[in-house]
Parts: sequence; structure tokens; C-alpha cells
Amino acid sequence: KAGVTQTPRYLIKTRGQQVTLSCSPISGHRSVSWYQQTPGQGLQFLFEYFSETQRNKGNFPGRFSGRQFSNSRSEMNVSTLELGDSALYLCASSLGGQYNEQFFGPGTRLTVL
Amino acid sequence: GNSVTQMEGPVTLSEEAFLTINCTYTATGYPSLFWYVQYPGEGLQLLLKATKADDKGSNKGFEATYRKETTSFHLEKGSVQVSDSAVYFCALSSIIQGAQKLVFGQGTRLTINP
Repeated sequence: KAGVTQTPRYLIKTRGQQVTLSCSPISGHRSVSWYQQTPGQGLQFLFEYFSETQRNKGNFPGRFSGRQFSNSRSEMNVSTLELGDSALYLCASSLGGQYNEQFFGPGTRLTVL
Repeated sequence: GNSVTQMEGPVTLSEEAFLTINCTYTATGYPSLFWYVQYPGEGLQLLLKATKADDKGSNKGFEATYRKETTSFHLEKGSVQVSDSAVYFCALSSIIQGAQKLVFGQGTRLTINP
């Protein structure tokens, strides 16, 4: 069974640009969660989607948005990039129940210059 | 709100040494508790979990016991190997609107010297 895949793995952007990251969950998983990992703030929850609906959102500005498609693939978008958005963005998929394990992808390393 | 406090690193040990990484939590209700491990250049892998008080999670020689009275979930291993070098994260799950959200500690970088 293929794991969670994220594309691209590395990305370099400049301030003010926007970026779209993609996550393909494990086959059969309907929930996708996104996390931001930085040295200063650690791992922080961004949002979670289940069957194309956002069920949960973390404490991030509106520049961070996401969506999920009918095949459960998810994208997250960051507009008007700031230097502080440089981070490793991890997505995790699960079956979607309260106690189901989350499986993480390798992450997308975003650098904002 | 829910939070996890984890022993600050980095931690450096010699091979075959005993490992303890402390983790305490603050939460309403009865969250599930997890330890995740992150190897260089990779995402997170679930190492072990416990879903209720007094449960012991174990995997690959690592163990952690869910202690409700001390709100702790300390990670232990009796004899570490060089291959255990990684960053370890303690986490708890919050359930909001039926969805599981993980709250992580800051992570502890572990280096094992041969």
C-alpha cells in the first residue's frame, strides 16, 4: 500500500508570492490534516478535511487555506508569502474516525526569500 | 487549552545506555497519547500510543505508560542503538467535531554515539 505522498518536496518562493502544496492520502483514507513545522513554533495544526469538508481549523491567518477533492487528495494554499512562512509542511491522512491513526507524508520544505 | 510539555533536548547518549524522555500534558477529558519519531529528511512515524489511563504502549523496545495521576507519558528504552538517533515528539489527540487534532510537544533531538 503506497504511503502519503506530498509534492513538491522542496520549494523556494519570494515574499508576496503565493504557493500551492499537494497531498495524496493513502488509498481509502478520507481525512487529510495539515501541520506546519518550524524550529521556533514546533508542529502546529493548520486544518483538517474530511470528505471535501473542513472540519477543524488551527489558529493561522486567512492567508492559509486548503481544499479537498472528491478523490481525497488535498491542497493547501498560502497567499502573500512572508519570511515567517518558511517551514516544513506536513500532511497526514487517516480513515477519519476519532481514534484512527494519522499517517504522515515526508513533507514539503518551503523556503521564502 | 490542551498542551504538551516535553523534555528539552538535545540528548546525547552512548550506545546501550538507558533512555528516558519526559512528557507531561494538560488536557480536558481523556485524550489519547502518542510518541512520534522523525528521522532526518522524513515525516513523522508513529512509534507507540496509549488510549486510556494505565495503558502501556510499546514498540521496537520503546515503552511509555499513560499516567493520569501525574498527567505524564514518559518514553523509555532500556538499551539504545545508534539507529535510534532521531527527533522524538510527544503528542495528544483532541477531538473536535468528530475530527482528531494532534497537539505536539516541542520535540527532543536524540543522538546516540557508538
